[in-house]
Amino acid sequence: AQSVTQPDIHITVSEGASLELRCNYSYGATPYLFWYVQSPGQGLQLLLKYFSGDTLVQGIKGFEAEFKRSQSSFNLRKPSVHWSDAAEYFCAVDTGTGGGADGLTFGKGTHLIIQP
Amino acid sequence: SAVISQKPSRDICQRGTSLTIQCQVDSQVTMMFWYRQQPGQSLTLIATANQGSEATYESGFVIDKFPISRPNLTFSTLTVSNMSPEDSSIYLCSAGHQNEQFFGPGTRLTVL
Repeated sequence: AQSVTQPDIHITVSEGASLELRCNYSYGATPYLFWYVQSPGQGLQLLLKYFSGDTLVQGIKGFEAEFKRSQSSFNLRKPSVHWSDAAEYFCAVDTGTGGGADGLTFGKGTHLIIQP
Repeated sequence: SAVISQKPSRDICQRGTSLTIQCQVDSQVTMMFWYRQQPGQSLTLIATANQGSEATYESGFVIDKFPISRPNLTFSTLTVSNMSPEDSSIYLCSAGHQNEQFFGPGTRLTVL
């Protein structure tokens, strides 16, 4: 069965500093990959997704992620974080058709804290 | 995109009772999904609801405990039956639309 690992439960970053959140997946083939953000009291918002093609994908709010097949990773990055980026971040995979027709498997999440 | 609403947004229930959560999508979608997010945890898929057929449940979830209805292409309900404190969680509805999954705001359930 597929699995998603987010090794960092909490990350603290100073405002204006760069950010990288790690995500590794376990699956026999290349899954469809997603990053979601969940702010307190809010639903999940899709930041970006990777289906195929260019391994560096751009998302909303200045986020990007790089798919590395050799490392089974899909790490999320942002060059300069803002206080409003404080939230819970989830990496997820879709091992089906990727067209929204299958449920997602989520990592345990990384809680991002922004220091002033 | 698809906008998803859920009712109720939160509830406090007594053990042994049941609660039905409603999920409404502003577009017609083929697939809808129900997830559970236990306190401080990640999301776990409960079941997939396809209009016109019975829901497909993931391992560890059964229809008697979590009956699901999907009467049309914009609506679904999840019932949490015979609740116990272990059912205290956020329940999220999602819909597959235009190669993405969109999520509702969730229903925060507390069982006493």
